[in-house]
Amino acid sequence: KAGVTQTPRYLIKTRGQQVTLSCSPISGHRSVSWYQQTPGQGLQFLFEYFSETQRNKGNFPGRFSGRQFSNSRSEMNVSTLELGDSALYLCASSFSAKGNGYTFGSGTRLTVV
Amino acid sequence: KQEVTQIPAALSVPEGENLVLNCSFTDSAIYNLQWFRQDPGKGLTSLLLIQSSQREQTSGRLNASLDKSSGRSTLYIAASQPGDSATYLCAEETSGSRLTFGEGTQLTVNP
Repeated sequence: KAGVTQTPRYLIKTRGQQVTLSCSPISGHRSVSWYQQTPGQGLQFLFEYFSETQRNKGNFPGRFSGRQFSNSRSEMNVSTLELGDSALYLCASSFSAKGNGYTFGSGTRLTVV
Repeated sequence: KQEVTQIPAALSVPEGENLVLNCSFTDSAIYNLQWFRQDPGKGLTSLLLIQSSQREQTSGRLNASLDKSSGRSTLYIAASQPGDSATYLCAEETSGSRLTFGEGTQLTVNP
């Protein structure tokens, strides 16, 4: 059974650019959520999608956005990159969230220079 | 505001020792409490999931308990091994389909 797949694994971008990260959940899972991990702030929730609808959003600026497709794959986009956006971005997959537990991918390491 | 606290922040033990990691949370209306392991630069590996109606879960040398009334969870690791060295994170899921994480306990098991 395939796990949660995140692509790419590593990215280097320049300030002001935009970036798109991809996440393919476990087959049959309809909930995909995104987290940012930094040494200073730890793991912080970005947003969660279920059946193509954003159900919950964390406290991040509007430069961070996401979407989910009909096959449950999800993308997140960060526009006008800042140095502080350098982080490990993790995607989590769940059958429906709300008590079913989460499986995480290996993450995308984004470095903004 | 939901808060999750993990104690200790770091722990170093000799191989073979039994150990307990602590997690406390402020919101008793949880759906579940999940323990994860993270190796340096890697993603999160789920260790144990305790749903709100359960009091504990076991997997191999790991046992996790949940006490909603006191807002506490513990992860017990028996007969620790060097391969157990990693950062251990607890996370609570409350309403809103989101996890709130603690800062983690960095565990080092010395041969």
